Amino acid sequence: KAGVTQTPRYLIKTRGQQVTLSCSPISGHRSVSWYQQTPGQGLQFLFEYFSETQRNKGNFPGRFSGRQFSNSRSEMNVRTLELGDSALYLCASSPTGGLNTEAFFGQGTRLTVV
Amino acid sequence: GQNIDQPTEMTATEGAIVQINCTYQTSGFNGLFWYQQHAGEAPTFLSYNVLDGLEEKGRFSSFLSRSKGYSYLLLKELQMKDSASYLCAVRVRHSGYALNFGKGTSLLVTP
Repeated sequence: KAGVTQTPRYLIKTRGQQVTLSCSPISGHRSVSWYQQTPGQGLQFLFEYFSETQRNKGNFPGRFSGRQFSNSRSEMNVRTLELGDSALYLCASSPTGGLNTEAFFGQGTRLTVV
Repeated sequence: GQNIDQPTEMTATEGAIVQINCTYQTSGFNGLFWYQQHAGEAPTFLSYNVLDGLEEKGRFSSFLSRSKGYSYLLLKELQMKDSASYLCAVRVRHSGYALNFGKGTSLLVTP
């Protein structure tokens, strides 16, 4: 069974640009969550999608958005990039049903804003 | 929000036992997870506790006390490959599958 796949693995963008990151969950998983990881703040929750609906959102500005498609693949978008958005963006998927299940993480996309 | 605290760094010797503590303050607690993350890699699941008590899985064990808002991860027979960051994460009822992470404990295993 393939794991969670994130593309691209590395990305360099200029301040002010926008970026779209992609996540393909494990087959059969309907929940996809996005996290930002930085050395200072650790892993911070961005948002979670389930069956194409955003079910929960973290404390990030509106420049951060996401969506989920009918095949459960998800994208996140960041507009008007700032230097502080440089981070590792991790996607995690969980199987359908039951909250006592682990989240499986992808390798992440390393975003550098210059 | 949730406050999740764990030590920033720990050092232990190969073959020894180490305990990594995690305290949390939250409402609607619905499970505590431990993840391991090696540098440059994705976090990988280690353990899950939702009821009080000890869960043992090979060399790794995790304990939970909901009344105290306290958990620990116990690593026995430490190996060099156990050098990694250990992340404590809490799930709450109103947040779906979202996990709220502590900042992680960086463990260094020395010969």
